[in-house]
Amino acid sequence: GIQVEQSPPDLILQEGANSTLRCNFSDSVNNLQWFHQNPWGQLINLFYIPSGTKQNGRLSATTVATERYSLLYISSSQTTDSGVYFCAVEDMDSNYQLIWGAGTKLIIKP
Amino acid sequence: GAGVSQTPSNKVTEKGKYVELRCDPISGHTALYWYRQSLGQGPEFLIYFQGTGAADDSGLPNDRFFAVRPEGSVSTLKIQRTERGDSAVYLCASSLKPQGGAGANVLTFGAGSRLTVL
Repeated sequence: GIQVEQSPPDLILQEGANSTLRCNFSDSVNNLQWFHQNPWGQLINLFYIPSGTKQNGRLSATTVATERYSLLYISSSQTTDSGVYFCAVEDMDSNYQLIWGAGTKLIIKP
Repeated sequence: GAGVSQTPSNKVTEKGKYVELRCDPISGHTALYWYRQSLGQGPEFLIYFQGTGAADDSGLPNDRFFAVRPEGSVSTLKIQRTERGDSAVYLCASSLKPQGGAGANVLTFGAGSRLTVL
């Protein structure tokens, strides 16, 4: 089955810093989503981005489907950005089952 | 409702007991999913409903796990003879997945039900 790898596994930054999180996947995908899981466990959908680039405020994401990776950019980090960021993909054979990476744990220090 | 609602938020039970976890999806969402998340890991797929029927239950770990969605809205995940290894957060999600598979499938998750089996 499809493999999803995220890097780095952990990231500690000072408030105001910028960061780039990476997601590599091993096969073609129908669907790629980035999620933020806050310290209380709630998963929030950030982007639906199987290809191309999207921006939402301080966050943006780019997926290069032909090269099988996606990047999540966080600019001017705030302490509320802390949590775990997950990349999840839906492969071509199973158009409803999300396969998840292990996540990047981000800690923003004030 | 406005979001996906899951109850209970926390459930502590003893080994061998039966538990039910409930999910109330976003109104009008035809697709409903159950995932399970263990500490420090990403969610793991359990089952997917399209309407009332379980389109794929291949992620259910064994026959102690069962899920229903009798009227195509609320779903209940049922676990019989619970074991300590069942302890996890059970997440429900829903989406407006179009029938036939084409188009964007953006999932919205509930806050989860944390199950602890003693």
